[in-house]
Amino acid sequence: AQTVTQSQPEMSVQEAETVTLSCTYDTSENNYYLFWYKQPPSRQMILVIRQEAYKQQNATENRFSVNFQKAAKSFSLKISDSQLGDTAMYFCAFMKQLSAGNMLTFGGGTRLMVKP
Amino acid sequence: DVKVTQSSRYLVKRTGEKVFLECVQDMDHENMFWYRQDPGLGLRLIYFSYDVKMKEKGDIPEGYSVSREKKERFSLILESASTNQTSMYLCASSRLVSETQYFGPGTRLLVL
Repeated sequence: AQTVTQSQPEMSVQEAETVTLSCTYDTSENNYYLFWYKQPPSRQMILVIRQEAYKQQNATENRFSVNFQKAAKSFSLKISDSQLGDTAMYFCAFMKQLSAGNMLTFGGGTRLMVKP
Repeated sequence: DVKVTQSSRYLVKRTGEKVFLECVQDMDHENMFWYRQDPGLGLRLIYFSYDVKMKEKGDIPEGYSVSREKKERFSLILESASTNQTSMYLCASSRLVSETQYFGPGTRLLVL
């Protein structure tokens, strides 16, 4: 079974600064997918960024980028130029493979507070 | 835009009651999922479905059942609610072979 660990229950960052959220996972699979989801207060969970394990290049999406270290089974999220709207719960998630019923395994979440 | 809606944002029930949580998606997605979200535990999969009338157990199916009679609708049923089922319940949907799941707003259930 896969496990996903987010070791930082809460973090804070000043507006406009950079913050990195940690995620490690455990799997015996070679091909898989990793995700960061964002859940703003009282709003729907949305996908922030995804990474395919077979791709060596780290995914980027505007101010969001990942540091994917496959050998270390680490998948951290970097948020640059933090904005107040980045305040949310962030969940790291793992998907074993694309198939019918593509299940996600989530970490425990990191609550990020962006301070003005 | 994909829209996933859930029948209630907040629900208060008594122990032993039968509880129905409904989820509807408007993008013709094959896959639908029910998760529960608890502090420090993240989201845990209860059940999922990849087709009408098809269902598969997730990680924590005990005490729950599901129904999918139509493609767009996926119901979670608590046959006899218990206090340890107090939680946030999230529904999600995705295309059949796709890595992206789209989430509903969640239902916060309190069982007294």
